[in-house]
Amino acid sequence: DAGITQSPRHKVTETGTPVTLRCHQTENHRYMYWYRQDPGHGLRLIHYSYGVKDTDKGEVSDGYSVSRSKTEDFLLTLESATSSQTSVYFCAIRPGPNTEAFFGQGTRLTVV
Amino acid sequence: AQTVTQSQPEMSVQEAETVTLSCTYDTSESDYYLFWYKQPPSRQMILVIRQEAYKQQNATENRFSVNFQKAAKSFSLKISDSQLGDAAMYFCAYRSSLLSGSARQLTFGSGTQLTVLP
Repeated sequence: DAGITQSPRHKVTETGTPVTLRCHQTENHRYMYWYRQDPGHGLRLIHYSYGVKDTDKGEVSDGYSVSRSKTEDFLLTLESATSSQTSVYFCAIRPGPNTEAFFGQGTRLTVV
Repeated sequence: AQTVTQSQPEMSVQEAETVTLSCTYDTSESDYYLFWYKQPPSRQMILVIRQEAYKQQNATENRFSVNFQKAAKSFSLKISDSQLGDAAMYFCAYRSSLLSGSARQLTFGSGTQLTVLP
């Protein structure tokens, strides 16, 4: 158990509303990631962080923002949700530069 | 940018038989990591096996082994003595060994859905 908790686990929201997903870790690891999973695409990186207030964009960052004000929390925000953002969102942490990534249990987001 | 390709969207295997899942990747780097992750219906992403590119020996974890062909940029997963619990989506993933910028991320293939037939 890598001590990763995603919340909420499921959410249905309306188009145009803001949504924030939370990833919480208990181990103080430096590297944290947000991915989205869609059929036929595997997992694609949205944003990542390598420390407090240090974040960067991934492959599919348009429409998303992130914040990391504490080591243990990495927040993903959809400023104005669209139907194309309906997906399963995974948070991941990586304990060190040469270790594998550990994933949270995912959040299924539906934008109607 | 690196790309990872899994050309088999679906595969099936008879229980107790052996199956091989294919993965190819494209990179200009010489040092990197390759992974196979398993995603059962619970949606949890579970690391199956990991290979460092500088190691010539193929990684093995119990019934799971890889065939790593660096020159061909191929990284296949062999599952021996398949069990019903092996049924899942399997993802191949690549990560650079560099420590800066986008090299910190995992790049995933599109996945192979494995069905195990009783």
